[in-house]
Amino acid sequence: AQSVSQHNHHVILSEAASLELGCNYSYGGTVNLFWYVQYPGQHLQLLLKYFSGDPLVKGIKGFEAEFIKSKFSFNLRKPSVQWSDTAEYFCAVIPDTGRRALTFGSGTRLQVQP
Amino acid sequence: DAGVIQSPRHEVTEMGQEVTLRCKPISGHDYLFWYRQTMMRGLELLIYFNNNVPIDDSGMPEDRFSAKMPNASFSTLKIQPSEPRDSAVYFCASSLEGLGGPYEQYFGPGTRLTVT
Repeated sequence: AQSVSQHNHHVILSEAASLELGCNYSYGGTVNLFWYVQYPGQHLQLLLKYFSGDPLVKGIKGFEAEFIKSKFSFNLRKPSVQWSDTAEYFCAVIPDTGRRALTFGSGTRLQVQP
Repeated sequence: DAGVIQSPRHEVTEMGQEVTLRCKPISGHDYLFWYRQTMMRGLELLIYFNNNVPIDDSGMPEDRFSAKMPNASFSTLKIQPSEPRDSAVYFCASSLEGLGGPYEQYFGPGTRLTVT
């Protein structure tokens, strides 16, 4: 079965700092990759997704992610974080097997200090 | 569109009681998913439906859990009898199979269940 690893469990940054959150998956075939964000007390929202094509994906709110197939990675980046980016971030995968359910990583809690 | 609607938003019940969680997916979506979020296990799939038919229930913990989708606009997740370890946030999500990438799931606000 596939799995998703997020190695950063809790990240604390100051406003305007750059962000990179790691995500690695274990599956040898074609995958569909996602980053979801959960703001405090709110539901999950899609930040960005990768299905195919350009491995550099741009999402909402200035976030981007790069799919590196050789490293089984899909790291999330933002050049300058804001206090409003404080949230929990989840990487998720759907292997291209026909199964439609998301497999999530354990999440990274980002705290941005003003 | 109102998005995915879940009710109730919060539920507190005593051990042994029956609990029913409800979900209304986005109109026109053909996939519906139930996920559970706990501190210990994170976000995990319980079950999902395609065109009202259960496809994968491998995440349903045990026989105390059951899910139904009687029509395209309504699903229930029932726990009977409930136990304290069922305390979690239960999310419903829906998606639409399409040409542009079928897998984007839209999540509801969740139901926070506390079993005492």
